Amino acid sequence: NAGVTQTPKFQVLKTGQSMTLQCAQDMNHEYMSWYRQDPGMGLRLIHYSVGAGITDQGEVPNGYNVSRSTTEDFPLRLLSAAPSQTSVYFCASSYRVESRNSPLHFGNGTRLTVT
Amino acid sequence: SQQGEEDPQALSIQEGENATMNCSYKTSINNLQWYRQNSGRGLVHLILIRSNEREKHSGRLRVTLDTSKKSSSLLITASRAADTASYFCALSNAGGTSYGKLTFGQGTILTVHP
Repeated sequence: NAGVTQTPKFQVLKTGQSMTLQCAQDMNHEYMSWYRQDPGMGLRLIHYSVGAGITDQGEVPNGYNVSRSTTEDFPLRLLSAAPSQTSVYFCASSYRVESRNSPLHFGNGTRLTVT
Repeated sequence: SQQGEEDPQALSIQEGENATMNCSYKTSINNLQWYRQNSGRGLVHLILIRSNEREKHSGRLRVTLDTSKKSSSLLITASRAADTASYFCALSNAGGTSYGKLTFGQGTILTVHP
């Protein structure tokens, strides 16, 4: 059971470039989300999805787009990378959207540097 | 949405000692969860405590929740070097629009010396 798989593990971009961070889960989880982790800031929610075709903004959505065409995949797109987007990005999923008591399963993260 | 505040920010202990971390919050929650993060890895769920529960145990972990004081504590007993990690509390806020969403504290860095 692979769980939550994120690719790539590391990425360096130049300012203005675009890219997609991939996230896939094989647990048939309805809920998927993207967080960024910065020193001293904890984890902040970027976007989330409660099912295929349904997405919504989190705390820090500017500069990022998401889509959810399948239950398994939830890619995060950086439209025009900025140095402020240098961070570690985590994808997380959980089962049972109806239940507020489901724990999150995390991928191992993508470390992004924007120069 | 609110964020949990964790205390202390860093904790350094010897193997065999107990480690206690605290999390405080401001508004009503549905549940509170604790996660561990090893260096360079994703977060791993440790334990979930619902708002109507006061204490839960899992192996060497003991979590308490005091909703009147809006605080929770995580106790790791008989710590091991392998417990060295960052520990985060995460809040599931009460309210109909917060399904699945968790807000995380800034974490406590625990170092256990052999």
